[in-house]
Amino acid sequence: GAGVSQTPSNKVTEKGKYVELRCDPISGHTALYWYRQSLGQGPEFLIYFQGTGAADDSGLPNDRFFAVRPEGSVSTLKIQRTERGDSAVYLCASSPGGGPMRVETQYFGPGTRLLVL
Amino acid sequence: AQKITQTQPGMFVQEKEAVTLDCTYDTSDPSYGLFWYKQPSSGEMIFLIYQGSYDQQNATEGRYSLNFQKARKSANLVISASQLGDSAMYFCAMREVSGYALNFGKGTSLLVTP
Repeated sequence: GAGVSQTPSNKVTEKGKYVELRCDPISGHTALYWYRQSLGQGPEFLIYFQGTGAADDSGLPNDRFFAVRPEGSVSTLKIQRTERGDSAVYLCASSPGGGPMRVETQYFGPGTRLLVL
Repeated sequence: AQKITQTQPGMFVQEKEAVTLDCTYDTSDPSYGLFWYKQPSSGEMIFLIYQGSYDQQNATEGRYSLNFQKARKSANLVISASQLGDSAMYFCAMREVSGYALNFGKGTSLLVTP
């Protein structure tokens, strides 16, 4: 079956602009995660959805970042008033979603490379 | 505090040889999972292998095996019979059962030479 897909694959924007990044998880996966990977670093957690609700948004760096998953499938990460420091690869992952006491493998998409000029 | 430590920024191995990539972790949670991911230059994170904290045996997946030493809090990845296509970044990650996030190390860059 299809894996996690993300669009766009690359996004160039200007400082101060608004961007939306989309993630389409593996079909049937109820758990969805967003991570941010800066150059030379491992991915860092941003937010976790179980179904439609954000169960853990503790990794969002500030209130310019927001994510939604209105129908429990596709998710959109929204960044307002972008700054040059937001430039990174934004990775989305999904897992079957068996609950908080289960450690599940997270399957990642190809990422969106965001460059803020 | 850093939960995952990968001390080897770069490693070289000759084709067909075995290589070990080091990973140590830090947690007070008795239940957790350890993962290794491969990230080629294309950028996608590819899941390789998983080890649960209560698993009695070391995990194996084809040419990948995980040398899990719980008392030492280490989870080294062993790649046997290296291939040129194994050249990539390798990330060790941990998820504690009490949380949702994967905590990643900084990665090890592996280069397989002919």
